[in-house]
Amino acid sequence: DAGVTQSPTHLIKTRGQQVTLRCSPKSGHDTVSWYQQALGQGPQFIFQYYEEEERQRGNFPDRFSGHQFPNYSSELNVNALLLGDSALYLCASSFWTFSTDTQYFGPGTRLTVL
Amino acid sequence: KQEVTQIPAALSVPEGENLVLNCSFTDSAIYNLQWFRQDPGKGLTSLLLIQSSQREQTSGRLNASLDKSSGRSTLYIAASQPGDSATYLCAVNDYKLSFGAGTTVTVRA
Repeated sequence: DAGVTQSPTHLIKTRGQQVTLRCSPKSGHDTVSWYQQALGQGPQFIFQYYEEEERQRGNFPDRFSGHQFPNYSSELNVNALLLGDSALYLCASSFWTFSTDTQYFGPGTRLTVL
Repeated sequence: KQEVTQIPAALSVPEGENLVLNCSFTDSAIYNLQWFRQDPGKGLTSLLLIQSSQREQTSGRLNASLDKSSGRSTLYIAASQPGDSATYLCAVNDYKLSFGAGTTVTVRA
């Protein structure tokens, strides 16, 4: 089992550009969540996808959008990048059963905006 | 809005000492609580998960307790080792994970 994978590992962009991050969930998982972790802080929830629909969303602007594909993999898109978007972006996958789930995290994508 | 607080923010102990990390949360309507470990610049490694109906969970030298009614969880690490040096994060699950800012632990050899 490959676990949760993310690509790319690192990314450098300039202000105003657009970026796409990718995530493949753990085998058997149908739910993907995205988190942003700024330096020295805990991860912040961006949004969650289930059955190709955004199920819930955190307090992030519309510049942050996502997509889930039929194979449950997911993309996070960020438009009009700001310096403050520099962070570690984490993807987590899970499968709900018996009214609970365990989220498994990928290694993250380090985004630097110059 | 769920608020998660971790105290202390940093901890430095000599090798062999037991570690006690605290986590508090404001809304007790949670499905479970997870403790994670994060090494510098890396992703999150899940250490323990406690379901909302459980009081504690153990794995090796790690033990985590949960008091949902008071909104508290504690992670105990017995006989600390230099390899335990990392940042420890707690997260409560109410359909999404809400994280604390973490406790950075340094175990001195």
